[in-house]
Amino acid sequence: DTGVSQDPRHKITKRGQNVTFRCDPISEHNRLYWYRQTLGQGPEFLTYFQNEAQLEKSRLLSDRFSAERPKGSFSTLEIQRTEQGDSAMYLCAITSGGANEQFFGPGTRLTVL
Amino acid sequence: QQQVKQSPQSLIVQKGGISIINCAYENTAFDYFPWYQQFPGKGPALLIAIRPDVSEKKEGRFTISFNKSAKQFSLHIMDSQPGDSATYFCAASKDNFNKFYFGSGTKLNVKP
Repeated sequence: DTGVSQDPRHKITKRGQNVTFRCDPISEHNRLYWYRQTLGQGPEFLTYFQNEAQLEKSRLLSDRFSAERPKGSFSTLEIQRTEQGDSAMYLCAITSGGANEQFFGPGTRLTVL
Repeated sequence: QQQVKQSPQSLIVQKGGISIINCAYENTAFDYFPWYQQFPGKGPALLIAIRPDVSEKKEGRFTISFNKSAKQFSLHIMDSQPGDSATYFCAASKDNFNKFYFGSGTKLNVKP
């Protein structure tokens, strides 16, 4: 158990629909990261938060994507007007204390039909 | 441009053998190099990590070898077991708490 839960675990949607994923760290962590992993590839960085502040966004995060961390605890990732190319595993990770290790949640697998 | 290059793409090893996975990087600012293990349908799990001030780190059956001058690092799994069959990812980051750049993964199959 990495101390990170993600919901839902699987999401199937039709092209053009909006979807929202949630990441819940069990306890408070300063930094929270979102990555995207397509089949057969390594995770790719999307964005990260320090407390409530979104400090960096990847160019992969088009204007259809938005992420929030309203109270510095849980985070949401929303994709508007989904496209088939958005089909992937969306992973949330946290850092623990003063260490650099990132601990990943189980991910949300998105399938866009 | 891929920041971290990983090889091989897949690997088959007999039970009890040594599995070796290699990674190379270009950015000399990278200062933290973790390895992750991922089973199908699960998130990546941290296995072992190294910083460039040491050339080797061992934890149980897992060893990272690091060659700073060659900008390469590798994961060695000793006495490989069927339960080690998974996909392994190397990664790199610069500065503390920064984003990770992942390799493309190696799918390991340990034959009984």
